[in-house]
Amino acid sequence: QKEVEQNSGPLSVPEGAIASLNCTYSDRGSQSFFWYRQYSGKSPELIMFIYSNGDKEDGRFTAQLNKASQYVSLLIRDSQPSDSATYLCAVYTGANSKLTFGKGITLSVRP
Amino acid sequence: EAQVTQNPRYLITVTGKKLTVTCSQNMNHEYMSWYRQDPGLGLRQIYYSMNVEVTDKGDVPEGYKVSRKEKRNFPLILESPSPNQTSLYFCASSLFVPPTGEDGYTFGSGTRLTVV
Repeated sequence: QKEVEQNSGPLSVPEGAIASLNCTYSDRGSQSFFWYRQYSGKSPELIMFIYSNGDKEDGRFTAQLNKASQYVSLLIRDSQPSDSATYLCAVYTGANSKLTFGKGITLSVRP
Repeated sequence: EAQVTQNPRYLITVTGKKLTVTCSQNMNHEYMSWYRQDPGLGLRQIYYSMNVEVTDKGDVPEGYKVSRKEKRNFPLILESPSPNQTSLYFCASSLFVPPTGEDGYTFGSGTRLTVV
């Protein structure tokens, strides 16, 4: 069973802090990696995508990928209350041509 | 507006009464998929379709059927719903397989189904 694991959470950070969200995956053949944000009662929305080792930055978000250690992380700098949501890590392995999702971690940013 | 449209948004039904949840996308996407989301279990794939008339099982297909007669539509059918199918359902589509960073999956707004 190919798995994607995320910290159980929830995670609470003060406004302006850096939130660090981690994800590990079991299939070494995994090809691409996604982070989705899901507000309560809403559908997931794509916020970051990464497929090569290293860092990828987009505004306040940085995705980090380490294929040797099989983890991918998401850093949110200068966290805002509007960042409070559940963050889903998703991995594409090629099996069933699907994205396998982690269970998500809920982030709460305290004003 | 490019979107994935699911209907209905909310549905309460009784055990054994056949139902269909519709999904339609207007982006000419090749790939479509159904997921269910349950607390503590995350998003799990039910069925997917790579193209018209091509469908295949995901991780939790039992009790569900799908069809892909047209590129834009991918309905989810529950022939005899049971209470353990109470869940939040999402339809998703993607232009490419594998999904690229440009689109990933586009999700519908979700259907909250309650089977009593």
